Amino acid sequence: GDSVTQMEGPVTLSEEAFLTINCTYTATGYPSLFWYVQYPGEGLQLLLKATKADDKGSNKGFEATYRKETTSFHLEKGSVQVSDSAVYFCALSGYQGGSEKLVFGKGTKLTVNP
Amino acid sequence: AAGVIQSPRHLIKEKRETATLKCYPIPRHDTVYWYQQGPGQDPQFLISFYEKMQSDKGSIPDRFSAQQFSDYHSELNMSSLELGDSALYFCATQSTGEYNEQFFGPGTRLTVL
Repeated sequence: GDSVTQMEGPVTLSEEAFLTINCTYTATGYPSLFWYVQYPGEGLQLLLKATKADDKGSNKGFEATYRKETTSFHLEKGSVQVSDSAVYFCALSGYQGGSEKLVFGKGTKLTVNP
Repeated sequence: AAGVIQSPRHLIKEKRETATLKCYPIPRHDTVYWYQQGPGQDPQFLISFYEKMQSDKGSIPDRFSAQQFSDYHSELNMSSLELGDSALYFCATQSTGEYNEQFFGPGTRLTVL
């Protein structure tokens, strides 16, 4: 079945450092790809998405490009802030089994120190 | 803008008791997904409904059941609760007009003692 492999953390950075969180996927067909963020004690928020190859999703300074040839969707941010501290989940969805359910990676906990 | 509503936000139950979790979708959203997130884990798909019919089933125990009602809200019923059922339960809703985007509720934190 479909699966997502995500760089596991925790990741600790200093403010203004460059962030990369790697994500690769295995899927049949042409899935859509997502990054979700979860702040402590809160629910899941969609950070960005891409629905087809070579699409770039971006939001709040975060970017990720759908790379079909490498089956990857790495998350990047040029300059992280303390407020970016959270758990980040890479996910995919594709119509399979009767729904567009999301399949998540294991999550990467990011801590940004001042 | 209206968001997905889940109730209750927190629930504490004893082993072998039952629990009912509710999810109220964004207006005009016709699809509901339920996910379970154990401590330190990624969310796992449980079950989904489209237009009040079950559309897909994941790793949902036989002790759990769910349904979607005529007003599109959904309920997840959990019986014979076990310690391992302690988790955060999310519902996410989707409109067929908003391809691929699921909107998550804040979750219900269930603790089984």
